[in-house]
Amino acid sequence: DTGVSQNPRHKITKRGQNVTFRCDPISEHNRLYWYRQTLGQGPEFLTYFQNEAQLEKSRLLSDRFSAERPKGSFSTLEIQRTEQGDSAMYLCASSTQAGALKAGELFFGEGSRLTVL
Amino acid sequence: AQSVTQLGSHVSVSEGALVLLRCNYSSSVPPYLFWYVQYPNQGLQLLLKYTSAATLVKGINGFEAEFKKSETSFHLTKPSAHMSDAAEYFCAVSSGGYQKVTFGIGTKLQVIP
Repeated sequence: DTGVSQNPRHKITKRGQNVTFRCDPISEHNRLYWYRQTLGQGPEFLTYFQNEAQLEKSRLLSDRFSAERPKGSFSTLEIQRTEQGDSAMYLCASSTQAGALKAGELFFGEGSRLTVL
Repeated sequence: AQSVTQLGSHVSVSEGALVLLRCNYSSSVPPYLFWYVQYPNQGLQLLLKYTSAATLVKGINGFEAEFKKSETSFHLTKPSAHMSDAAEYFCAVSSGGYQKVTFGIGTKLQVIP
């Protein structure tokens, strides 16, 4: 299977600890997105990479959050000093740069669920 | 700025009945519009999309949606619901190109046997 892979699938941590999530996109996709989804809400945009460049960050992404995509392949999302409000499903998606015909066609992973106690 | 509003967070239909999930959009430029579906314990997947070509868009599993600029709507329909259609459906909008996709809050579809 060559879909988007995320790990860990579920992380339980205590408030104040740091956590890191990893996303492996579809290999030929140069665009990678992070979204956050809480219960009863749709996915909220966090950040977006084209290759290794981080092109856009949401105001939702406080300074405790950092995302990287060092070689333009996999990406990591780190949350420092976690708070209970960080509990959510963190979704990764990738897409290809193929003009208007492919615009918005995101391929999502199954997500990483974070529970902060 | 762009946004979508999904009317009805929960919709119940009988098996075989018409499915209608409502979505209205707001965009300062001609939008690209999408419906994504999320089955239980699975990732979101694209159901269909509108990118300024035909206003009636057909997707997978018999779903279709019609772009109506005058009503700023992009409602999702299916003539006859199947049990396997039970899932959460998200309407989404993009300003095109590489722009981020903004999602609605989702509509959970229940199909009653």
